[in-house]
Amino acid sequence: GQQLNQSPQSMFIQEGEDVSMNCTSSSIFNTWLWYKQDPGEGPVLLIALYKAGELTSNGRLTAQFGITRKDSFLNISASIPSDVGIYFCAGQRGGADGLTFGKGTHLIIQP
Amino acid sequence: DAGITQSPRHKVTETGTPVTLRCHQTENHRYMYWYRQDPGHGLRLIHYSYGVKDTDKGEVSDGYSVSRSKTEDFLLTLESATSSQTSVYFCAISAVGGSGANVLTFGAGSRLTVL
Repeated sequence: GQQLNQSPQSMFIQEGEDVSMNCTSSSIFNTWLWYKQDPGEGPVLLIALYKAGELTSNGRLTAQFGITRKDSFLNISASIPSDVGIYFCAGQRGGADGLTFGKGTHLIIQP
Repeated sequence: DAGITQSPRHKVTETGTPVTLRCHQTENHRYMYWYRQDPGHGLRLIHYSYGVKDTDKGEVSDGYSVSRSKTEDFLLTLESATSSQTSVYFCAISAVGGSGANVLTFGAGSRLTVL
């Protein structure tokens, strides 16, 4: 099946630092999405990207849809304790066949 | 959780027993999905539905069946549970399909342990 390579697998940072994570694929996707999952809950959508080259912000979060349609990145500026969680990228080619997910980036913030 | 209810939220069962997980939505969305989440694998699609009685297989469908007799309900059945099916199962819904972007909204998950 389709593979999304998400990196890094985990990040240990200090509060206030900026965070960057990315996803790459060998296949083209027409939509890229970024989700966050808190312990014991389902993933929650953070940002959706619909066009190649698109750069979208949501508060301290910024995500970009790569020009080649094969990659995307997510940046978090000035991290705070509630940013802790697992971040997933997801790609979709089109149609109703669901999303392909990366394996997640665990973000841990050290006091 | 945007009108998505999964039940049961937790279940422990024995190998070889049948198990059914239920996803109920109040959003009247056309598309519904079942994913499983395992350490090291992320979220993987099991089955999905694009309408009443219309379903299709996902990446990891072996050992699972689904049914959708009403728009609001999507059932996932393990006919004979195995230990490899111990996982957290997530239901998701979407209003957009076809050639449009497909943004999924997830339920809170059902944790299944097969002993």
